[in-house]
Amino acid sequence: EPEVTQTPSHQVTQMGQEVILRCVPISNHLYFYWYRQILGQKVEFLVSFYNNEISEKSEIFDDQFSVERPDGSNFTLKIRSTKLEDSAMYFCASSGGTPNTEAFFGQGTRLTVV
Amino acid sequence: KNEVEQSPQNLTAQEGEFITINCSYSVGISALHWLQQHPGGGIVSLFMLSSGKKKHGRLIATINIQEKHSSLHITASHPRDSAVYICAVRYPGGGADGLTFGKGTHLIIQP
Repeated sequence: EPEVTQTPSHQVTQMGQEVILRCVPISNHLYFYWYRQILGQKVEFLVSFYNNEISEKSEIFDDQFSVERPDGSNFTLKIRSTKLEDSAMYFCASSGGTPNTEAFFGQGTRLTVV
Repeated sequence: KNEVEQSPQNLTAQEGEFITINCSYSVGISALHWLQQHPGGGIVSLFMLSSGKKKHGRLIATINIQEKHSSLHITASHPRDSAVYICAVRYPGGGADGLTFGKGTHLIIQP
């Protein structure tokens, strides 16, 4: 069964460092998303990406964040200068031909900023 | 955007019991998702609904668009059903709008 894969599964970084979280969405999907979940809290939307550009972003997705689909298969989330409050589980998701189809989630990357 | 409310927040039941988890939202949506999150953190999609009812194995999901309410039912519950069940909605709008999530229902099924 096709799946969304995320790497790494866990990343520890020092405050102020840049991190890149990687995702490989399902190959024929067109819509890509990043979500985050701070420990003990609900999942929150960060950004959606379609047709090689950002479609929507939340208030959380400030200038410190960026997304890219560099090679047609990977979908990356970059945090330019990490803060302690960026510590969270980050989920990548993709869906097929329209946004209103089933969403497939990756297993998540647990980011710890120290 | 409006909140998604789930109830109960926590539910402990005995193996074999019929389980119902509820989700309500306050404005019209284009789709509602039921998701399962295991202790390791991974999220699995169970259902996507825009109307009516869907069934997959022992899981049943229903949605009432007029009442802005959805339920997830588990029949013949089993300890392996223990997980957090999350309701998430997509509000209608242009572009690929992200999902808005409820806080989840933490379900424990005891043997």
